[in-house]
Amino acid sequence: AQSVTQLGSHVSVSEGALVLLRCNYSSSVPPYLFWYVQYPNQGLQLLLKYTSAATLVKGINGFEAEFKKSETSFHLTKPSAHMSDAAEYFCAVTEKGAGSYQLTFGKGTKLSVIP
Amino acid sequence: DTGVSQDPRHKITKRGQNVTFRCDPISEHNRLYWYRQTLGQGPEFLTYFQNEAQLEKSRLLSDRFSAERPKGSFSTLEIQRTEQGDSAMYLCASSLDLEHEQYFGPGTRLTVT
Repeated sequence: AQSVTQLGSHVSVSEGALVLLRCNYSSSVPPYLFWYVQYPNQGLQLLLKYTSAATLVKGINGFEAEFKKSETSFHLTKPSAHMSDAAEYFCAVTEKGAGSYQLTFGKGTKLSVIP
Repeated sequence: DTGVSQDPRHKITKRGQNVTFRCDPISEHNRLYWYRQTLGQGPEFLTYFQNEAQLEKSRLLSDRFSAERPKGSFSTLEIQRTEQGDSAMYLCASSLDLEHEQYFGPGTRLTVT
């Protein structure tokens, strides 16, 4: 069975500061990992994905994440926060060879950016 | 590419009524997924289709929930005899075979009074 834990339901950073959102996963087989962003009353937009190529993955809007198998982690970072980054972020996992590739999501981290 | 669309965006219904939601996936996508998202939680997988075949439905929340994708294009999710606990955002996503990236629609927010 697969699962995702996101540490911190709410993170606040100052504009221009580093953004670090934490995600740990559990999977019985090699995983595919994703970060999605959700703005209020909207669906989810894919930020980036890890599918067993490079362990450092770059996404949209300056975000990146690093897959660390030994730590079962896939933390999301951005060097300099912008006001427009304020949103909720979800980490998700699916398993290779799962057939359905259904996503299992964490509970989300709400990011606030302080001017 | 118009993206995944869902209709309606908002639905308010009284307890005990039936509701039906529609999802139109990206046109060439043959996989379609339904998720439910309650307040303060991440989306929870409900069911998925590959073309018109519903290949996973064990995660549907009860026998009051059903989904169809009759011609392998749009899909509907029906909830019969709604309960207040059904209040949530219902999300639809689509993808291509052998691709892992799911594209989400804007969701249908259901409020049961």
